[in-house]
Amino acid sequence: DTAVSQTPKYLVTQMGNDKSIKCEQNLGHDTMYWYKQDSKKFLKIMFSYNNKELIINETVPNRFSPKSPDKAHLNLHINSLELGDSAVYFCASSLPGPKETQYFGPGTRLLVL
Amino acid sequence: AQSVSQHNHHVILSEAASLELGCNYSYGGTVNLFWYVQYPGQHLQLLLKYFSGDPLVKGIKGFEAEFIKSKFSFNLRKPSVQWSDTAEYFCAVKGAGSYQLTFGKGTKLSVIP
Repeated sequence: DTAVSQTPKYLVTQMGNDKSIKCEQNLGHDTMYWYKQDSKKFLKIMFSYNNKELIINETVPNRFSPKSPDKAHLNLHINSLELGDSAVYFCASSLPGPKETQYFGPGTRLLVL
Repeated sequence: AQSVSQHNHHVILSEAASLELGCNYSYGGTVNLFWYVQYPGQHLQLLLKYFSGDPLVKGIKGFEAEFIKSKFSFNLRKPSVQWSDTAEYFCAVKGAGSYQLTFGKGTKLSVIP
């Protein structure tokens, strides 16, 4: 069984479009995250939710909006896509608390043309 | 703010060679330390982690890492690499009690058969 899953795996779209990436975890974790991995493989946290409440919100354009309908899901919606948004987006989840390990999803490769 | 520095951008080794990947962090408090691996086209997987206790931590696939507090280091080692170890390796740090995991820029390891 997949622990952290993301859909779609690949997303190719035009500049200016709005798109969503979905993330689901079946680990019973309370905390979920979105990371962006750029073309140089650098991973940077974007958002984190704990029990559907936003706890980390890094300096990310407000075109990016996370939505957590329940604690097992954290979706990422992106408005007005730009070329620079092309990257691999990883979802992760963990238990809350100081000793949690983050478990990552397979990633969504977004290409904006 | 916490930061992680990985000294080597790309390491090329022959099979059976020994491996050491450097990782230094900057954080003014108690830390939790992690090494993740990303095989080509795959998601990040946890190799090992350090929270407290014995500073020599053993992980999966024969990897180990040593936490040296005085040097703010958490270097990854493996006595004999295999071709299947070809991957990108990421060191990460999290302040104890913090949700935010900060990654280094990664080290690409290429193992030549």
